[in-house]
Amino acid sequence: EDQVTQSPEALRLQEGESSSLNCSYTVSGLRGLFWYRQDPGKGPEFLFTLYSAGEEKEKERLKATLTKKESFLHITAPKPEDSATYLCAVQDKTALIFGKGTTLSVSS
Amino acid sequence: DGGITQSPKYLFRKEGQNVTLSCEQNLNHDAMYWYRQDPGQGLRLIYYSQIVNDFQKGDIAEGYSVSREKKESFPLTVTSAQKNPTAFYLCASRDRAHGYTFGSGTRLTVV
Repeated sequence: EDQVTQSPEALRLQEGESSSLNCSYTVSGLRGLFWYRQDPGKGPEFLFTLYSAGEEKEKERLKATLTKKESFLHITAPKPEDSATYLCAVQDKTALIFGKGTTLSVSS
Repeated sequence: DGGITQSPKYLFRKEGQNVTLSCEQNLNHDAMYWYRQDPGQGLRLIYYSQIVNDFQKGDIAEGYSVSREKKESFPLTVTSAQKNPTAFYLCASRDRAHGYTFGSGTRLTVV
């Protein structure tokens, strides 16, 4: 059964304190791994899609990487506006399968 | 601008009542999806449709129904058979070139 596990569930950082969020997955044939940002009461906002091990993508303070079993979302020198829930999902034959998310809080 | 519109933003349901959540997209995407999100849980797939007049059950379809009469529209009905409907409902559409686009959600509460 395809499965996505995110850790930690919650992460508190000081402004400027870099860290990483983890997404481990089991899927029969990876068709894409997705990262989304979700603010409270809003729909998920697309960040990245990764398709093959070794692939990396960057956007502002965020960098996503992919191995055969997991993906990392690295956040460099975070700011309070980066506070949100970050969702990881994998594409199976029909739809996205989501992890439970990591809620990031960045304080100034 | 193209996008997905979900309405209403907030919806209240009485016991035994059916309610319908609207999802409209003007992205010309073929596939559309309904997910349910509960606190501390990931998004769970309710129903999906890959083409007009065809739809499939997802992981938690019991107590829900959908229709796909038009490419642009994929309404979700929460029936009285759904015993715990209070949740945040998200609609999405997809094309292979641009990936998934999500709506802003409908929060359903049982009163």
